[in-house]
Amino acid sequence: EAGVAQSPRYKIIEKRQSVAFWCNPISGHATLYWYQQILGQGPKLLIQFQNNGVVDDSQLPKDRFSAERLKGVDSTLKIQPAKLEDSAVYLCASSLEAFLGEQYFGPGTRLTVT
Amino acid sequence: AQKITQTQPGMFVQEKEAVTLDCTYDTSDQSYGLFWYKQPSSGEMIFLIYQGSYDEQNATEGRYSLNFQKARKSANLVISASQLGDSAMYFCAMREGLGGYNKLIFGAGTRLAVHP
Repeated sequence: EAGVAQSPRYKIIEKRQSVAFWCNPISGHATLYWYQQILGQGPKLLIQFQNNGVVDDSQLPKDRFSAERLKGVDSTLKIQPAKLEDSAVYLCASSLEAFLGEQYFGPGTRLTVT
Repeated sequence: AQKITQTQPGMFVQEKEAVTLDCTYDTSDQSYGLFWYKQPSSGEMIFLIYQGSYDEQNATEGRYSLNFQKARKSANLVISASQLGDSAMYFCAMREGLGGYNKLIFGAGTRLAVHP
């Protein structure tokens, strides 16, 4: 079974530029999550999708971050414009069930904003 | 308020010995779940073990066991017979409540170094 795929693995941009990350979850997983992991901290949930609907985006900085999952499968997370403090690893995860169940994580995208 | 506390920023252990990584949590829910994940230098989070709040037995998965002390709100991970490949970051996480969506809250992590 293929795991969660993410691209790119690394990205370096200047502040005020825009960037987009892509995630393809495990086949059949209805729930998809985006986490932000700042160096030295644990992951923090940014947004959670159930199929193509958002069920939790309470910690998403909506003035600059956006995410979509149009067909209920893969997802993109965008930052526009980026700030220095957005430097982090962005992890995508998926789970079979919305309420319970193990979350499977992708390898992450390491973003550096200069 | 901190929901998950991992007080050990770094730990080291000799190969083949056991090590305990500490985790305490804070919740007013009666139903919750506790997870441990491993994050090697490659970056992906690898699920290790799960303990439900109503589980009477401590969870075990191979060399991993979870020492669950509900009254003390602790969920320590025990790794037996450490291997060099166990060197990584380890995160404790909690899922609160039933009926709510599957949101995990992570601690800050403990970096484990296994020495030969």
